[in-house]
Amino acid sequence: SQQGEEDPQALSIQEGENATMNCSYKTSINNLQWYRQNSGRGLVHLILIRSNEREKHSGRLRVTLDTSKKSSSLLITASRAADTASYFCATAPRSNDYKLSFGAGTTVTVRA
Amino acid sequence: SQTIHQWPATLVQPVGSPLSLECTVEGTSNPNLYWYRQAAGRGLQLLFYSVGIGQISSEVPQNLSASRPQDRQFILSSKKLLLSDSGFYLCAWTADKAPLQYFGPGTRLTVT
Repeated sequence: SQQGEEDPQALSIQEGENATMNCSYKTSINNLQWYRQNSGRGLVHLILIRSNEREKHSGRLRVTLDTSKKSSSLLITASRAADTASYFCATAPRSNDYKLSFGAGTTVTVRA
Repeated sequence: SQTIHQWPATLVQPVGSPLSLECTVEGTSNPNLYWYRQAAGRGLQLLFYSVGIGQISSEVPQNLSASRPQDRQFILSSKKLLLSDSGFYLCAWTADKAPLQYFGPGTRLTVT
């Protein structure tokens, strides 16, 4: 079953703007990951944040994690047309971190 | 470097026909292997995962089965396809005890 829920479902922004999407989950986690999927392709790992971390950066990506609220956010700064994709959060439960549960994703469209 | 292959890329099959999708990983040994299904506009549903040859865990009771005849080969099968088996099938691997998943390019299955 899907544990993560992304919000919003879809987002349309102008090139150069920032894009923020959120993920909520239900059970205790070992880590939370964000993936990107271009249309019709496989998923690509973007960033992992562990349950004892609050914020992580990678290039133009910033991820936050609030375990008390069971939520995470992904910020993409200075968006580019190439950032157009679907973004998924995935959680690994404490009981078994072999198994990731993926949300339904946020579809981001960056307009030139 | 590691590479993951899936084939075929697309498949159109009639209801009641058998199915065999193959996934192979190169450049690593003893990977954990995963099969996911993605319905249109949805997140990923974990179908099977394997931590070693002959070791398969099934997540969802369904019309599908999986096998791992070799260390880096993972096969998804069905004896008789249903319309509801249509979707985008993704194979992924992780290194043992590592959380990041690496995805193949996927197989688009349409059951008619």
